[in-house]
Amino acid sequence: SQQGEEDPQALSIQEGENATMNCSYKTSINNLQWYRQNSGRGLVHLILIRSNEREKHSGRLRVTLDTSKKSSSLLITASRAADTASYFCATLTQGGSEKLVFGKGMKLTVNP
Amino acid sequence: EAGVVQSPRYKIIEKKQPVAFWCNPISGHNTLYWYLQNLGQGPELLIRYENEEAVDDSQLPKDRFSAERLKGVDSTLKIQPAELGDSAVYLCASSRRRGQGNEQFFGPGTRLTVL
Repeated sequence: SQQGEEDPQALSIQEGENATMNCSYKTSINNLQWYRQNSGRGLVHLILIRSNEREKHSGRLRVTLDTSKKSSSLLITASRAADTASYFCATLTQGGSEKLVFGKGMKLTVNP
Repeated sequence: EAGVVQSPRYKIIEKKQPVAFWCNPISGHNTLYWYLQNLGQGPELLIRYENEEAVDDSQLPKDRFSAERLKGVDSTLKIQPAELGDSAVYLCASSRRRGQGNEQFFGPGTRLTVL
């Protein structure tokens, strides 16, 4: 079963523009993680934000988390062609057996 | 630091045949995961090991799937017999600390095609 749902499912932008991806989830979480997947490097962890955090930065990445709305957003600033990939949010559910549940992902295309 | 190693990268078999996938996690990572990823979907956990103990195998179809992690390092995932619906990418991941709350490092995956 998949909890996170990324929105939009596909996004195409020009190099240098910002890209924003949203993730909504259903149940209470311990943390939320964003991963990137492309054919060259497989699935790579980008950033983790804990349930008691509201915003986090890492390089050109900015993640926000709104637990009241059960949603997160990933902002990639000054995008590059190399950012072309599929992006997944993954939520670590609270209680019981810890389980990292991935969304279906969204495809970002950055045109040079 | 060497990454997670998986083999083979690709496997094509006929239905009802057995198949096995191998994973070598990052050195020092005690937690190992096997995921299944269907086309256009995110990875779904099959089994999680803490050292040699399978601590979460609730999503593993035990009638045909089995896994082992002898000595708490390498792991093997087996399907016997394979069905058409098993065609997917099988990902192995590892993490340094116990539990799933931490960054996971993924291998390149094994793409299985069942004919």
